[in-house]
Amino acid sequence: DAKTTQPPSMDCAEGRAANLPCNHSTISGNEYVYWYRQIHSQGPQYIIHGLKNNETNEMASLIITEDRKSSTLILPHATLRDTAVYYCIVRVPRMDSSYKLIFGSGTRLLVRP
Amino acid sequence: DTEVTQTPKHLVMGMTNKKSLKCEQHMGHRAMYWYKQKAKKPPELMFVYSYEKLSINESVPSRFSPECPNSSLLNLHLHALQPEDSALYLCASSPVAGGYGYTFGSGTRLTVV
Repeated sequence: DAKTTQPPSMDCAEGRAANLPCNHSTISGNEYVYWYRQIHSQGPQYIIHGLKNNETNEMASLIITEDRKSSTLILPHATLRDTAVYYCIVRVPRMDSSYKLIFGSGTRLLVRP
Repeated sequence: DTEVTQTPKHLVMGMTNKKSLKCEQHMGHRAMYWYKQKAKKPPELMFVYSYEKLSINESVPSRFSPECPNSSLLNLHLHALQPEDSALYLCASSPVAGGYGYTFGSGTRLTVV
């Protein structure tokens, strides 16, 4: 059922950009890519999502390759509070017309002072 | 109110006990979900309720029994659990089933002894 592959861990310096990669080579044309993060002992928090085009919001940017087989989440100026596990997720349609979020294994991002 | 509230935050129960987890949201979302998360693993979908009706059961053992009394409340009744059921149980909601805008609660950390 796995749809995404992520590196298990990364680190970056505070104030620098954090670029988190995700491979989703089997993604289908109508399946969205979502990113959530989970800070220790809390529930996952929505960051951003996209289908084909690059997306930006107040938290992050999402860059999706033209072939849609991979994407990168960019936190432009990482802070210590961005230390968390980041999940790359594919939303897949089900036969009953609903959808299911398929979580990747997550990347543990450590932001260093 | 933009939160999903879960109670209790921690629960320890014996294998012969009956207990319930509670989840509440007041965002007008019509889909609610239960996820199970083991340590250092991504969340796994258990149940989906859409418009107060159970729409998805991901082959969850019958010792877990969900209930949706109304559009704001979701319960998970627990009976005769096993130690391997110890995990973080997360509730989430979204405007409609499988759509964007999932909001997760902080979870109930369950320990079965």
